[in-house]
Amino acid sequence: TQLLEQSPQFLSIQEGENLTVYCNSSSVFSSLQWYRQEPGEGPVLLVTVVTGGEVKKLKRLTFQFGDARKDSSLHITAAQPGDTGLYLCAGVPSGGYQKVTFGTGTKLQVIP
Amino acid sequence: GAGVSQSPSNKVTEKGKDVELRCDPISGHTALYWYRQSLGQGLEFLIYFQGNSAPDKSGLPSDRFSAERTGGSVSTLTIQRTQQEDSAVYLCASSPRGWGANEQFFGPGTRLTVL
Repeated sequence: TQLLEQSPQFLSIQEGENLTVYCNSSSVFSSLQWYRQEPGEGPVLLVTVVTGGEVKKLKRLTFQFGDARKDSSLHITAAQPGDTGLYLCAGVPSGGYQKVTFGTGTKLQVIP
Repeated sequence: GAGVSQSPSNKVTEKGKDVELRCDPISGHTALYWYRQSLGQGLEFLIYFQGNSAPDKSGLPSDRFSAERTGGSVSTLTIQRTQQEDSAVYLCASSPRGWGANEQFFGPGTRLTVL
């Protein structure tokens, strides 16, 4: 079973602060996705990283895939209240059919 | 275009009753997934459909859980003899093709409460 551990589990910060969320596994993935889920809604895909060491930026959000493709991080600069939500990483295995594994989730609250 | 829809949005039932949860995927999406989410945490995989067949049902927690998909479209998740531990949000997702780096499009979920 492939597990994806996210840290921290909960994060409450003031508007304007920076933060980093980590997604770690002992397994290698062919790619890794990040989703954000707002209360009462389903998760929405933010980004997919596919190459070891890849960095992708989405406005104030920076995503990095580890060199060994076992881990990833999400960094938010100058957090806004609209960033509040549950952040989920999801690992896509390599080699044939295997289901996507979702991480344990990080609940972020940005206080105005 | 229309996204993934789920019904009902909320369901309260008594222990021991059966419930049916419905998912309408995005038109043309061949892959459909059911997940369970407890207390706003991570997603627990339940079952994956490709067309009308379910090549992976390894996540169904017990034989009280079953699911079907008809016409390559609508899917129904049935929980028989519900237990309190079944209380959770049940999420459905669809994607244009099967497993892989394809984006999954999620519905808003059905919140199930078993009293």
